Amino acid sequence: DVKVTQSSRYLVKRTGEKVFLECVQDMDHENMFWYRQDPGLGLRLIYFSYDVKMKEKGDIPEGYSVSREKKERFSLILESASTNQTSMYLCASSKADSYEQYFGPGTRLTVT
Amino acid sequence: GESVGLHLPTLSVQEGDNSIINCAYSNSASDYFIWYKQESGKGPQFIIDIRSNMDKRQGQRVTVLLNKTVKHLSLQIAATQPGDSAVYFCAENIGYGGSQGNLIFGKGTKLSVKP
Repeated sequence: DVKVTQSSRYLVKRTGEKVFLECVQDMDHENMFWYRQDPGLGLRLIYFSYDVKMKEKGDIPEGYSVSREKKERFSLILESASTNQTSMYLCASSKADSYEQYFGPGTRLTVT
Repeated sequence: GESVGLHLPTLSVQEGDNSIINCAYSNSASDYFIWYKQESGKGPQFIIDIRSNMDKRQGQRVTVLLNKTVKHLSLQIAATQPGDSAVYFCAENIGYGGSQGNLIFGKGTKLSVKP
């Protein structure tokens, strides 16, 4: 059974803190994605990666960075959390030759 | 702006009835479309997909219809059950340059099934 896991389901952080969101997939997928999901705005792509050590900006990369040191792990980093980064964060992965993305359960981040 | 949108943000149906969720897309170059279901507190799950060389594809209780002429996509759920209550997203591929595997998602339609 394919699986994408995220390190936390719920997270509460203070403004200015550095936040790490971890995502791991066990399907040997080449592609990995980070989205945020907000009411009325749908899923918006933050960053994606097609290979280890590679990263590409999505539609809303400002205030975020990513790291992909191993194929199975894709980390999203909020260098200095702000209240407008309170959101649901979803990680996804897909095979190199497929559009079908498999999603993790999401991390609901609250920044106070 | 977002190229994938939905006609109805919410849909309420009676258990046992058929549901139809609609989606409009604007990128005529898109050649792959996918529907996801997202239950409360969970990540989106794949339902069904369709390529642009088809106009209809059927799964278990679900059918996706693609009308390229008017750039319209629909998801039909037969004999809707309470377990079908969720938010449904359509998505289209971008399919160019370095974004070969990327999808653009619609905002979603919430389906509520009344017992």
